[in-house]
Amino acid sequence: EDQVTQSPEALRLQEGESSSLNCSYTVSGLRGLFWYRQDPGKGPEFLFTLYSAGEEKEKERLKATLTKKESFLHITAPKPEDSATYLCAVQETDDKIIFGKGTRLHILP
Amino acid sequence: DTGVSQDPRHKITKRGQNVTFRCDPISEHNRLYWYRQTLGQGPEFLTYFQNEAQLEKSRLLSDRFSAERPKGSFSTLEIQRTEQGDSAMYLCASSSGRGNIQYFGAGTRLSVL
Repeated sequence: EDQVTQSPEALRLQEGESSSLNCSYTVSGLRGLFWYRQDPGKGPEFLFTLYSAGEEKEKERLKATLTKKESFLHITAPKPEDSATYLCAVQETDDKIIFGKGTRLHILP
Repeated sequence: DTGVSQDPRHKITKRGQNVTFRCDPISEHNRLYWYRQTLGQGPEFLTYFQNEAQLEKSRLLSDRFSAERPKGSFSTLEIQRTEQGDSAMYLCASSSGRGNIQYFGAGTRLSVL
């Protein structure tokens, strides 16, 4: 059973069309939830970390939120340069983090 | 701070050959991680070091895989007798431990022919 599930797998939006990506997790004792951005052929780039339900973080057009069972990455008025794969990862009880499969986001100009 | 550096960026090898990858972490980061990523998947944990000690190994890491981190600085990942199923992107990350935020390198893409 997957511990981290991201949806949708892929999302195409028009430039300026806001939307949200979902990350649901089943681990117990969450110690941290991480969002990364990954461009083709490159390593993941750290965006946010959230530690407790109700916490929110923002960076430019992105805002991450966390509940007890899921996290959302909200994208407001996206631009073509926001096109990438967005990865969610959770840390359970040790130093290892578990990644979801990611959401491939494509913003059309 | 020059970030996490991985070498080589690309490696093409024939089945049965041995390959070695290198990772240089962010200076003063005491934790170093190796992941494997295949197309359409998220990174999968392979192993991690705290300083020079290898603290955890995934069951994905078969006997053909070995990792070292001598002196707690750079790390190497060796794959012996490569198989076509080893073709993947191998990612390295490092962390200071604070909040366990892991910073990734650009990866080494391995193609086994």
